[in-house]
Amino acid sequence: DTEVTQTPKHLVMGMTNKKSLKCEQHMGHRAMYWYKQKAKKPPELMFVYSYEKLSINESVPSRFSPECPNSSLLNLHLHALQPEDSALYLCASSNQGHTEAFFGQGTRLTVV
Amino acid sequence: AQKITQTQPGMFVQEKEAVTLDCTYDTSDPSYGLFWYKQPSSGEMIFLIYQGSYDQQNATEGRYSLNFQKARKSANLVISASQLGDSAMYFCAMREPFSGGYQKVTFGTGTKLQVIP
Repeated sequence: DTEVTQTPKHLVMGMTNKKSLKCEQHMGHRAMYWYKQKAKKPPELMFVYSYEKLSINESVPSRFSPECPNSSLLNLHLHALQPEDSALYLCASSNQGHTEAFFGQGTRLTVV
Repeated sequence: AQKITQTQPGMFVQEKEAVTLDCTYDTSDPSYGLFWYKQPSSGEMIFLIYQGSYDQQNATEGRYSLNFQKARKSANLVISASQLGDSAMYFCAMREPFSGGYQKVTFGTGTKLQVIP
């Protein structure tokens, strides 16, 4: 199983809503990542978890709150988002010493 | 700081022809890795090929090969025998030296490739 599964695929939320994005992998990878990708732009790193501990927070606003409940799961909790937060949110995982990261299909988020 | 540059916003190629996508990079680290990813309109980032900074030979994966010129700091992707399914956005990316069990990757701005029948 070389899959990273993200749910939901699409999400529309209001600026006062609270929602969560979910990412799951069963490859035994110990590093998991959240990226944000605006249209026609490259992915930008948001957070990195390594061995279930937050290792990198790229100065992301506190309205985005990551969580890593176990080595297979990664969540991104969303609260009071702005329309400019509308983007494709990609989850990825990798293992130390390996080359590539494996990406999920992403969640297309629209904030209205 | 690491920097990745892709100077071709868009490229066209005839089906069954070969195409080269350009990528240059800048880093002061002697140890780094270079990737190419493909992103179709569905959104998923698909790994294509990897080149380590100490690898002596150019990487190849099926129809994909990486033309690695270390002195020029370039890592161009060559796709042979283009297929309609190759139409997608292509990102060059660079990994910093491994640290703490994870990899920090910087992506270039991407090249949109369109294959013409």
